[in-house]
Amino acid sequence: GAGVSQSPSNKVTEKGKDVELRCDPISGHTALYWYRQSLGQGLEFLIYFQGNSAPDKSGLPSDRFSAERTGGSVSTLTIQRTQQEDSAVYLCASSIRAGGPDTQYFGPGTRLTVL
Amino acid sequence: AQSVAQPEDQVNVAEGNPLTVKCTYSVSGNPYLFWYVQYPNRGLQFLLKYITGDNLVKGSYGFEAEFNKSQTSFHLKKPSALVSDSALYFCAVRGFSSGSARQLTFGSGTQLTVLP
Repeated sequence: GAGVSQSPSNKVTEKGKDVELRCDPISGHTALYWYRQSLGQGLEFLIYFQGNSAPDKSGLPSDRFSAERTGGSVSTLTIQRTQQEDSAVYLCASSIRAGGPDTQYFGPGTRLTVL
Repeated sequence: AQSVAQPEDQVNVAEGNPLTVKCTYSVSGNPYLFWYVQYPNRGLQFLLKYITGDNLVKGSYGFEAEFNKSQTSFHLKKPSALVSDSALYFCAVRGFSSGSARQLTFGSGTQLTVLP
């Protein structure tokens, strides 16, 4: 079956511009997570959504980062006024539910380069 | 707080030899433990997980992992390594209790190179 998809696969932007990254989770998965993978910081949690509950935003590094999930499915991660330190691979994952033993399945990621 | 340590940045092993990638964890209460593999320019691919029960967990591609509660470890193993196993491996943890974080906490990753 279809896995988690993300778009674009690569994004190059100039410092100060806004970017939007998209994630389409596995059908039927109620939980959706965003992580960031960078050389210096490894894999960092950013935010997760569980059904219609308020998202857990505890991992967002600054108020320039925001995310929404429309209709309990597709999610968009927005980074405003991008900085060079935002350059990283942004990974999206989904699971049947949040927490517990449910496996998170990852998409291929979006590689963001801020010039 | 939950944390994972992967003490080896790099592991080299000859093809056909057994391999071990080490992982230790810290979490309040009992853990859920996961191993993922990442090939170049790809996302993370699930290998196996420990929930409860048998301490030896078998997963994809002949990999297995042994949960050791007293040593808070969850080492990944394979009896006979293949060149195609060369990749970046991540260990991850999540707490079992209702108050635990829902997200995974990952180790820093171990680059496995299998030499022909």
